Amino acid sequence: GENVEQHPSTLSVQEGDSAVIKCTYSDSASNYFPWYKQELGKRPQLIIDIRSNVGEKKDQRIAVTLNKTAKHFSLHITETQPEDSAVYFCAASYASGGSYIPTFGRGTSLIVHP
Amino acid sequence: EAQVTQNPRYLITVTGKKLTVTCSQNMNHEYMSWYRQDPGLGLRQIYYSMNVEVTDKGDVPEGYKVSRKEKRNFPLILESPSPNQTSLYFCASMIEGSGSWIGELFFGEGSRLTVL
Repeated sequence: GENVEQHPSTLSVQEGDSAVIKCTYSDSASNYFPWYKQELGKRPQLIIDIRSNVGEKKDQRIAVTLNKTAKHFSLHITETQPEDSAVYFCAASYASGGSYIPTFGRGTSLIVHP
Repeated sequence: EAQVTQNPRYLITVTGKKLTVTCSQNMNHEYMSWYRQDPGLGLRQIYYSMNVEVTDKGDVPEGYKVSRKEKRNFPLILESPSPNQTSLYFCASMIEGSGSWIGELFFGEGSRLTVL
């Protein structure tokens, strides 16, 4: 099955700095890579996603890049703000034979210091 | 308002006492799933369902049962809970996207279960 490794497990930055979270996956059949943000005590919510036919996607201060050859994808947050503090999960998934099992990374706790 | 609703949100129970965590979505989504979240382990899938009467095991199905008799409901059943099932549980649903089963997961608010 798919295996997703996520690093770092904890990331501490100063407000205004950039933050980068990296994930690698093992199954070359994976073709959808979402990122979820989970604020303290809340549910995970999708913040950005990328499909395998695209190398990069941006949405205001966040961007995701995908390198299919190396099987890794990254989340980039620029000009970080205290409200960006949360746990971020990457995931890799594919649909095959009528089944769909997304595999999540273990999460990165991002702390943005004012 | 589009939402996934879980109940109960918090529960403390004892070993062996059967319990059910309900999950309901009002978005007419076909795909529903259960996850458990444990510190340092991320989100691990327990069971999922592609449609009514269609369920399948995820990564950690041992000790759990599910059923999908109606499209909107997907209850998680712990027949004989044990302390290692103490966890935060999330139900999620997803609509079929762009002709394939890949899209945004909508999560419920979570159910924190403690088994003594």
